Amino acid sequence: QKEVEQNSGPLSVPEGAIASLNCTYSDRGSQSFFWYRQYSGKSPELIMFIYSNGDKEDGRFTAQLNKASQYVSLLIRDSQPSDSATYLCAVNTNAGKSTFGDGTTLTVKP
Amino acid sequence: SAVISQKPSRDICQRGTSLTIQCQVDSQVTMMFWYRQQPGQSLTLIATANQGSEATYESGFVIDKFPISRPNLTFSTLTVSNMSPEDSSIYLCSVGREPGGELFFGEGSRLTVL
Repeated sequence: QKEVEQNSGPLSVPEGAIASLNCTYSDRGSQSFFWYRQYSGKSPELIMFIYSNGDKEDGRFTAQLNKASQYVSLLIRDSQPSDSATYLCAVNTNAGKSTFGDGTTLTVKP
Repeated sequence: SAVISQKPSRDICQRGTSLTIQCQVDSQVTMMFWYRQQPGQSLTLIATANQGSEATYESGFVIDKFPISRPNLTFSTLTVSNMSPEDSSIYLCSVGREPGGELFFGEGSRLTVL
């Protein structure tokens, strides 16, 4: 079992729709959770982080965390073509190291 | 945030040679890491670069193949030794300001081994 698993892609949504990205992790000791966006040929950049159970909203992005289910998700509302990218889920333990999922490639069609 | 400069941005190398990648950060940082991203795949942690001491390597990565230096809190190097085509990848320097916090990435060094 992989330490961090993401829903297999690619994911395609029409412009204006909600994109839902999911991630599960195996280490119950994980403390912090991140979503990074990576455009083709570019480095990852942070979109959202979440530390506590529940929802966290930032603009069109909402991160959801359920530690009991070991589940993290990212919702993108009103998806735009510029949101087309690979989204990486990352999980940290107290050791400070980030373990990344394989990523989900999102395409938003105009 | 942090501004991270990596050199070289890309290189084409011959089998059996070695290449050193440099990572310079615009401010002192506690944590520096080296990741590898093979084509179409996600990021795999190679090692944690420790200031003034030997790097901490992840399973599957060894010091003889990937020697790392970190002489101070703003600079690190990763050497890919005795390269083979399987080492063709993007190598990313990343930094974190606190354990468990977000990571900032350099622009990566794209390495092609012929």
